[in-house]
Amino acid sequence: ELKVEQNPLFLSMQEGKNYTIYCNYSTTSDRLYWYRQDPGKSLESLFVLLSNGAVKQEGRLMASLDTKARLSTLHITAAVHDLSATYFCAVDPYAGGTSYGKLTFGQGTILTVHP
Amino acid sequence: DARVTQTPRHKVTEMGQEVTMRCQPILGHNTVFWYRQTMMQGLELLAYFRNRAPLDDSGMPKDRFSAEMPDATLATLKIQPSEPRDSAVYFCASGLGSRDRGYEQYFGPGTRLTVT
Repeated sequence: ELKVEQNPLFLSMQEGKNYTIYCNYSTTSDRLYWYRQDPGKSLESLFVLLSNGAVKQEGRLMASLDTKARLSTLHITAAVHDLSATYFCAVDPYAGGTSYGKLTFGQGTILTVHP
Repeated sequence: DARVTQTPRHKVTEMGQEVTMRCQPILGHNTVFWYRQTMMQGLELLAYFRNRAPLDDSGMPKDRFSAEMPDATLATLKIQPSEPRDSAVYFCASGLGSRDRGYEQYFGPGTRLTVT
């Protein structure tokens, strides 16, 4: 059974600081997704990572994927209050066939950015 | 701006009643997913369809939950009879992916279900 673990689960940051959220998964996969969820809202797709070494950046967020280590990171640069949200990673297991996007989500990291 | 729509957005019902949630996927998307989100269990996949055919519903309690896609523009999730432990937010997501492009999913706004 695929397990996806994020850490930390809670992250309180000061504005202007940098930090990294980690996503570890337990089975072979080269497809990983990051989502953002604001309180009481739906999930919004942030990044799609499709190969080992993939790196994507959008504004103050940068995501990367190391399939050998079964690890993805979401790096936050110079945090601002607007980044406060819950961030999920999700893994699509690939075992020689296709799962058509059957994702297993991590527990989510609740990020709070304060002045 | 294409979006996944879900109805109703909120539902309060009494234990034992039937609940039907509806989802309209983004036009042209061929994969539809149903998720449930609770504080305790997080985000769980209940069922998903590709080209309207059910691929996996192993995440659903079979005795009370059922999911269908009567046509390409409508997916339904039914609970009968409902129980208080079914209280959660139910999300529908749709996608049109490939092995090369990945299977990015677009989530609807959710149905917040409360069973008393």
